[in-house]
Amino acid sequence: QITLKESGPTLVKPTQTLTLTCTFSGFSLSTSGVGVGWIRQPPGKALEWLALIYWDDDKRYSPSLKSRLTITKDTSKNQVVLTMTNMDPVDTATYYCAHDLSIAGGDYFDYWGQGTLVTVSS
Amino acid sequence: QSVLTQPPSASGTPGQRVTISCSGSSSNIGSNTVNWYQQLPGTAPKLLIYSNNQRPSGVPDRFSGSKSGTSASLAISGLQSEDEADYYCAAWDDSLNGSVVFGGGTKLTVL
Repeated sequence: QITLKESGPTLVKPTQTLTLTCTFSGFSLSTSGVGVGWIRQPPGKALEWLALIYWDDDKRYSPSLKSRLTITKDTSKNQVVLTMTNMDPVDTATYYCAHDLSIAGGDYFDYWGQGTLVTVSS
Repeated sequence: QSVLTQPPSASGTPGQRVTISCSGSSSNIGSNTVNWYQQLPGTAPKLLIYSNNQRPSGVPDRFSGSKSGTSASLAISGLQSEDEADYYCAAWDDSLNGSVVFGGGTKLTVL
């Protein structure tokens, strides 16, 4: 059974760096074709993909946020960490991590965490 | 402004068939597969359709997906009240070193 859970601060101040951890079970991030992604959703708005890290440590970032994002993995701890620098109130959102399968023709997220709401405010 | 374009809303009565469209370009839908996610109110998204038309285990066959050129569609037949949710399409985009792109979402109301 695959499960994922996001953890991190619920409130950050503008200009601070956000660090979120995704702790998962039921799969290994060293298995070929597997990845973990981060997706966010501002209140009342659409989903926005942020970053992906694959079993082979290949990393992909949203072009519009690339300069602010870093994604890393700790395979031994079954964790993926996302950092986002220079937080702004517009970054207030629910942040999800999700299990990714990479197949010919694209990726898809078949298991999602429950999400964690991060509010950016002074 | 989302890369993939969906209608903001759709509606139908119980038992009806509804379709939700998703329009993209040659760098995303035109060259990669499309996935659909269902988000019930207050919950995390759930994979509904992957690889254009494949249903994960447990998804009713009332849900179906299709793709043609740079557009895709999600069809829901035999509409039920519990289908009221937000629906998002997504695809890999080959531009700018590769990325995942989502549609803006469609809120489905069961009248």
